[in-house]
Amino acid sequence: SQTIHQWPATLVQPVGSPLSLECTVEGTSNPNLYWYRQAAGRGLQLLFYSVGIGQISSEVPQNLSASRPQDRQFILSSKKLLLSDSGFYLCAWRMMRNTGELFFGEGSRLTVL
Amino acid sequence: AQSVTQLGSHVSVSEGALVLLRCNYSSSVPPYLFWYVQYPNQGLQLLLKYTSAATLVKGINGFEAEFKKSETSFHLTKPSAHMSDAAEYFCAVTSYGGATNKLIFGTGTLLAVQP
Repeated sequence: SQTIHQWPATLVQPVGSPLSLECTVEGTSNPNLYWYRQAAGRGLQLLFYSVGIGQISSEVPQNLSASRPQDRQFILSSKKLLLSDSGFYLCAWRMMRNTGELFFGEGSRLTVL
Repeated sequence: AQSVTQLGSHVSVSEGALVLLRCNYSSSVPPYLFWYVQYPNQGLQLLLKYTSAATLVKGINGFEAEFKKSETSFHLTKPSAHMSDAAEYFCAVTSYGGATNKLIFGTGTLLAVQP
């Protein structure tokens, strides 16, 4: 069966520090991968998605970037965090050309102080 | 473009009462529709999905939803609320057609269940 893991689960970072959140999927190959951010009262905002290694599409211009160095690895990064980057970050995957449902990781809670 | 609107950011029901969470969608192509549930500090779990088969869809934990094209709605219901149903619920829409199709979420409805 397929599983998805995110880490770290929680982190507190100062403004201006770098960020790296990692996500890996097991039990499948060539998944579509997604990063969402959930800010209080604002639902889920799609940040990036990837349909293959090295292929990243950005949905919202911002202080963050994403990379996909391996087929089942998706990384969310920032060189310098802003206060507004605080939120709950969710990684998700789905199989290509299926009925569209996403499967989510456990989430990473980022607090920028 | 596709979108979903969830009416009511907060809904409160008594234990044993009917749960009704409203979702209306907008889509220029036949939609695929989903309901997800999120417990505090956890990821989203798929409750049920509509993918153009039966219009009444049954999901996990006793929830069901009915696709009504004429009303562009996909409301989530459960006949009898349980304390464990307290969570946030998200409606989402996409369409079938390619690898880059994205899932668009509503802003969520927080369900409280009173004893």
